[in-house]
Amino acid sequence: DADVTQTPRNRITKTGKRIMLECSQTKGHDRMYWYRQDPGLGLRLIYYSFDVKDINKGEISDGYSVSRQAQAKFSLSLESAIPNQTALYFCATSVDGLNEQFFGPGTRLTVL
Amino acid sequence: GENVEQHPSTLSVQEGDSAVIKCTYSDSASNYFPWYKQELGKGPQLIIDIRSNVGEKKDQRIAVTLNKTAKHFSLHITETQPEDSAVYFCASRDYGQNFVFGPGTRLSVLP
Repeated sequence: DADVTQTPRNRITKTGKRIMLECSQTKGHDRMYWYRQDPGLGLRLIYYSFDVKDINKGEISDGYSVSRQAQAKFSLSLESAIPNQTALYFCATSVDGLNEQFFGPGTRLTVL
Repeated sequence: GENVEQHPSTLSVQEGDSAVIKCTYSDSASNYFPWYKQELGKGPQLIIDIRSNVGEKKDQRIAVTLNKTAKHFSLHITETQPEDSAVYFCASRDYGQNFVFGPGTRLSVLP
């Protein structure tokens, strides 16, 4: 089974709708991250969490919110989706800030 | 904040040839530089990394070199194979211990 899973894998929605993307991990890592990937822009950090009680904004947090329900679960919400939030979204985990991050398979979100 | 540039954006090589991807970073305090490979439909996966106290690291056909003075690091893939075709991302870890990623390089290995 995959260590980092994301649901859904694909989602098409309309402008103004509320969307939640979910991430679960079985690696036992405290740190979790949400990234957005756009062509030619690489991976940009949206939010990150170092433990259940610690949530931090990343480079591009406007229009997004997150919830860390447990050590293993980290959800990303778009309260009112807009077309320029169409992108590939990745969740990642790490054991600490010194080593690699492990990525989930991604969620492709399309906002019409 | 940290800025990471990556070149080239696309790279095509013949099978068996070598491929080199270069990244530059801006924050002299950065001390960890991973390289990720992203295959179609999958999340990025670490292939090699290097820390600032090392100048070069090899793992079979893959190597990474780091020049701290010039603030650049490079990925070298020798004897390329079709399965090396993917998007490659470099990253630099800034003082806040979050990664800053380059924009990616799409490598195509032609048979």
